[in-house]
Amino acid sequence: GQSLEQPSEVTAVEGAIVQINCTYQTSGFYGLSWYQQHDGGAPTFLSYNALDGLEETGRFSSFLSRSDSYGYLLLQELQMKDSASYFCARKYGQNFVFGPGTRLSVLP
Amino acid sequence: EPEVTQTPSHQVTQMGQEVILRCVPISNHLYFYWYRQILGQKVEFLVSFYNNEISEKSEIFDDQFSVERPDGSNFTLKIRSTKLEDSAMYFCASSEAGGEYRGYNSPLHFGNGTRLTVT
Repeated sequence: GQSLEQPSEVTAVEGAIVQINCTYQTSGFYGLSWYQQHDGGAPTFLSYNALDGLEETGRFSSFLSRSDSYGYLLLQELQMKDSASYFCARKYGQNFVFGPGTRLSVLP
Repeated sequence: EPEVTQTPSHQVTQMGQEVILRCVPISNHLYFYWYRQILGQKVEFLVSFYNNEISEKSEIFDDQFSVERPDGSNFTLKIRSTKLEDSAMYFCASSEAGGEYRGYNSPLHFGNGTRLTVT
């Protein structure tokens, strides 16, 4: 199969740290990508893990464990503008399959 | 920064009518995709296109759908006879290379979408 699973919603307060998990069915050597989508907007690329471990890009970090078919996106020092949906995505064949998305609400 | 552009931003059509959604991918990109997203739901793959032919298509992409790259810049999605359930946001995306190959990542760049409403 080509499915990915994520929690549907996460809520946190400004300044906090939040982790969004993603599990997937294993197929091939591909890594895991993360995209952000604000309401009414297009998905935009955030991060990619080709290999196991942590990748850091500013306030955002992403982790992958290929043996566990599991990854997460870590958002630090949350800001109101981080309120959005976050999708993990993985390549299967000639297409990218997206997870169902996690809606993050950042409260003041 | 180069971007993917889509037109129109909104399209309202009656059931059974044909619609054409247009996209201009980033100029040096080689791979093109159409995705759709029903309001509040996941981003669903429709079709990928490379070297002037379909690379892969999903179950959603049935005989009512077709794609075309009529010239060197445009990439279109046609729905021949729209149904109510075709109402969704349709996103075009492009990537420089074929996504991922053993550690090299070529992310998808999405347009702002066309909101299709079938009445």
